Amino acid sequence: GNSVTQMEGPVTLSEEAFLTINCTYTATGYPSLFWYVQYPGEGLQLLLKATKADDKGSNKGFEATYRKETTSFHLEKGSVQVSDSAVYFCALSVSFGNEKLTFGTGTRLTIIP
Amino acid sequence: GAGVSQSPSNKVTEKGKDVELRCDPISGHTALYWYRQRLGQGLEFLIYFQGNSAPDKSGLPSDRFSAERTGESVSTLTIQRTQQEDSAVYLCASSLIYQNQPQHFGDGTRLSIL
Repeated sequence: GNSVTQMEGPVTLSEEAFLTINCTYTATGYPSLFWYVQYPGEGLQLLLKATKADDKGSNKGFEATYRKETTSFHLEKGSVQVSDSAVYFCALSVSFGNEKLTFGTGTRLTIIP
Repeated sequence: GAGVSQSPSNKVTEKGKDVELRCDPISGHTALYWYRQRLGQGLEFLIYFQGNSAPDKSGLPSDRFSAERTGESVSTLTIQRTQQEDSAVYLCASSLIYQNQPQHFGDGTRLSIL
């Protein structure tokens, strides 16, 4: 079956630090990969995505590259801000026509000034 | 509306009671998904609607769970004879039917079974 494994949290960093949240996956077929984010008091929203190998998704200074050879989609940001504090979920979908998402367990990120 | 709307936002009920959770998707979104998030866990897929048909119900955990959808509009998730393990946040998402369209999530219903 399909599964997503992501870095256990919580993660606490100082402002302007470099961020990496690891995500690896197992999937049948050729998945599309996503990072979703849930800010405090808000609903889950798409942060970025990549739909094929070697694609790089980017948004709000965050980046993730679809690595088929290592089945990974690690989330990175060069300089985090307090406003990046949130829970981050890695996810995949496999089938066109039923793009149900398989999620990781989420990583809570806290940025301290 | 502008986004996916779910109601109620919170529901507390006694074990054994039935509950109904409602989802209003974004207008024009043919695809609708229900997920469940138990405390400290990731989101689990429950059911997928394409229009008012449900081609994938594989995530429903037992026959106490059912869902329906009216056309490309409102969906209701019903849990009968609730158990304490049903306590979770139930999330609804909708999307366009085309490939790789992002899913837009509601704020969820937090269900607590006493």
